[in-house]
Amino acid sequence: DIQMTQSPSTLSASVGDRVTISCRASQSIGIWLAWYQQKPGKAPKLLVYKASNLESGVPSRFSGSGSGTEFTLTISSLQPDDFATYFCQQYDTFLWTFGQGTNVEIK
Amino acid sequence: EVQLVQSGAEVKKPGESLKISCKTSGYTFSKNWIGWVRQLPGRGLEYMGIVFPRDSDTRYNPSFQGRVTISADKTVTTAYLQWDTLKASDTAMYYCVRLSDGADYWGQGTLVTVSS
Repeated sequence: DIQMTQSPSTLSASVGDRVTISCRASQSIGIWLAWYQQKPGKAPKLLVYKASNLESGVPSRFSGSGSGTEFTLTISSLQPDDFATYFCQQYDTFLWTFGQGTNVEIK
Repeated sequence: EVQLVQSGAEVKKPGESLKISCKTSGYTFSKNWIGWVRQLPGRGLEYMGIVFPRDSDTRYNPSFQGRVTISADKTVTTAYLQWDTLKASDTAMYYCVRLSDGADYWGQGTLVTVSS
């Protein structure tokens, strides 16, 4: 299985901050990486696919980058609606795997 | 509008069987893989398996192989997740997802509680 490791597990930030979440794959996955946002009691929502493509309707303050084994999700200016848990996920093979999640909380 | 609407919450006893559903609409059901994802209480996401409705080709995460059955019925554009023998450790939220690049649409989730 391809292991996905996110860091940090928890991130404390303020509105307006630039936030970066990292995701590392245990082997190369090309650009086959997605990022999701999940709020309490809700299903996850797709933010980014193919490492850097923004899903339709997602605010432009979100961006994704990386390839191979190292990936990053950046929120350029954190908004109140962005406090949530974020997951990366590889889909290079049918055996998808998710990162353990990063909880973005209010500082 | 693409929608995935899951069946309601279930409370079952260990040893019982269960089949939950995911009714889709708003797109051509046969053209996309449908997957199931488990989320244990307060935990992360686990991929269980996927099914291609056109030919019912099914792929399982080895961690779930033999414990669950994933299927799809084109006539009613619905995917299913089934257990023959539930355990307390199956208590979780289960999501169906449509596969495109990543999982672009998610059902609202079905909470399954297994308790004696």
